[in-house]
Amino acid sequence: AAGVIQSPRHLIKEKRETATLKCYPIPRHDTVYWYQQGPGQDPQFLISFYEKMQSDKGSIPDRFSAQQFSDYHSELNMSSLELGDSALYFCASSLGRGNQETQYFGPGTRLLVL
Amino acid sequence: AQSVTQPDIHITVSEGASLELRCNYSYGATPYLFWYVQSPGQGLQLLLKYFSGDTLVQGIKGFEAEFKRSQSSFNLRKPSVHWSDAAEYFCAVGILSNFGNEKLTFGTGTRLTIIP
Repeated sequence: AAGVIQSPRHLIKEKRETATLKCYPIPRHDTVYWYQQGPGQDPQFLISFYEKMQSDKGSIPDRFSAQQFSDYHSELNMSSLELGDSALYFCASSLGRGNQETQYFGPGTRLLVL
Repeated sequence: AQSVTQPDIHITVSEGASLELRCNYSYGATPYLFWYVQSPGQGLQLLLKYFSGDTLVQGIKGFEAEFKRSQSSFNLRKPSVHWSDAAEYFCAVGILSNFGNEKLTFGTGTRLTIIP
């Protein structure tokens, strides 16, 4: 079965650079979530989209922005990167929204900021 | 505020032995509970979930979990572990936002080590 696709899988950037992470949800899934997992930490919710509209926002820095496109894929844009942004970034997708909808996670993008 | 507690940071179990990973939650409404497993450098794989109904939930890879409302717990169990079960296990609660969308709040995880 098709899964959530994230690209790139690994990314190395310098401080103050920008990065764009991409997420392709499972076909027919209309809801996308972004999570950040720091080294040795649990995943923290950043932001979510439903039908191309932002539906919830967590602890996402103002330097980050995201959007969902008409084909439901999503991009997380990160500017003025800091060392502390080094983490594993997960995208998850679900069909519809609400507590009955299971989130399926992608393999993650590992970002290293030097 | 909602939270998830996994009291055990690291557990070591012999192969073939039984396993129980603890999870306690704090949430004002009916919780929607999940267990995910993460192998090193990998993504999160859903093991099982509880939405409603039967409080004993069966998952993949021989795992099960029991929801106990009176104890605010959702412990994960497996009768006989295999070396391939070594991984990080996350308990999570689904929080329904004002926008009607759900976000997951995770516990800090339990690292499971299997010894021969």
